[in-house]
Amino acid sequence: AQSVTQLGSHVSVSEGALVLLRCNYSSSVPPYLFWYVQYPNQGLQLLLKYTTGATLVKGINGFEAEFKKSETSFHLTKPSAHMSDAAEYFCAVSDRGQAGTALIFGKGTTLSVSS
Amino acid sequence: DTAVSQTPKYLVTQMGNDKSIKCEQNLGHDTMYWYKQDSKKFLKIMFSYNNKELIINETVPNRFSPKSPDKAHLNLHINSLELGDSAVYFCASSTRLTEQYFGPGTRLTVT
Repeated sequence: AQSVTQLGSHVSVSEGALVLLRCNYSSSVPPYLFWYVQYPNQGLQLLLKYTTGATLVKGINGFEAEFKKSETSFHLTKPSAHMSDAAEYFCAVSDRGQAGTALIFGKGTTLSVSS
Repeated sequence: DTAVSQTPKYLVTQMGNDKSIKCEQNLGHDTMYWYKQDSKKFLKIMFSYNNKELIINETVPNRFSPKSPDKAHLNLHINSLELGDSAVYFCASSTRLTEQYFGPGTRLTVT
């Protein structure tokens, strides 16, 4: 069965500092990988995804993630944090290309950004 | 142009009542989902439908019944509501090859 582990339920950074949110997955075959962001009282918005091809994936708002098969990781980074990045971040996996397949989510990481 | 919409956004009701949450998507997707987000913000799949056919039916009480009248709609009916049903319910949609697009959520509070 697939699972996702997000290390660190809460990450705090200063504005302008590097953001690093960690995600490790467990899957018998390489899955599809996603990062979603949730702002307070809103739905989930896709930041980026990895399905195939280049292992360094660029997303919206300056975020990027690198798929490392050997480490079963998909960590999310942003070079310089902005106050508006404060939100809940979820890493998720799914089976490759299966109709109706579910997203399996990690428990989320709350990112706080201080000025 | 709202891609995935849910109604209502907030739902406050008493134990024992029956309620429904509606979801509509205008993305032309053929698959729709219901997820539950608990008080600790953990998200878990409840159901998925592909072309109106039930694909995933996770271990949820049979008080929860999804209904998909067409590919663009997926409703969730809950009978005999309990305190533990209080959560945020998210609808989502996708195709086989795309990511899932989420609605804004319905915050259900059972008193």
